[in-house]
Amino acid sequence: EPEVTQTPSHQVTQMGQEVILRCVPISNHLYFYWYRQILGQKVEFLVSFYNNEISEKSEIFDDQFSVERPDGSNFTLKIRSTKLEDSAMYFCASSVIAGSGNTIYFGEGSWLTVV
Amino acid sequence: GQQVMQIPQYQHVQEGEDFTTYCNSSTTLSNIQWYKQRPGGHPVFLIQLVKSGEVKKQKRLTFQFGEAKKNSSLHITATQTTDVGTYFCAGYSNSGYALNFGKGTSLLVTP
Repeated sequence: EPEVTQTPSHQVTQMGQEVILRCVPISNHLYFYWYRQILGQKVEFLVSFYNNEISEKSEIFDDQFSVERPDGSNFTLKIRSTKLEDSAMYFCASSVIAGSGNTIYFGEGSWLTVV
Repeated sequence: GQQVMQIPQYQHVQEGEDFTTYCNSSTTLSNIQWYKQRPGGHPVFLIQLVKSGEVKKQKRLTFQFGEAKKNSSLHITATQTTDVGTYFCAGYSNSGYALNFGKGTSLLVTP
């Protein structure tokens, strides 16, 4: 079964450093997402991306965050200057369509630890 | 904005007992989705409910969508240790791009 793949599975970074998390969405999917989950808390929406532009973003997704689809297969999340509170599991997800009737498929996540 | 709330936060049952988690939205939902996350894992889609009053079953799992489309429940009959995990309900934002998750109910099943 096709799946969303993410790298790295775990990254430890110094506060203030830039981090890039990478994702390969399912190949025929058109909508891509990043979600995050702070340890023990709920899954929070960060951003959705369609047709090479952001379609929606949450309040969490401030100027420190950016997303990019640098080629036909990868989808990346960049955090410019990490803070301690950015420590979380970051899930990439993709879907064929958006909205009602849509099933989102999540990757296994990238665990980011900021020290 | 839309808020999705779930209760209880935790539930500990003996294997064989039933389990129910409840989800309430601050706004009417076009549909509601349920996900399961195993410890250390990622959310996995279980089901989507669309119609008012809809009831769907998956083996021992029964999902209901309220008549007003603002609440939903997941009931597991005769829990097994494989049911351990956190169950999230989620509803779409008005734009249809953002899936807003509830805080989840963590289920622990003791053999």
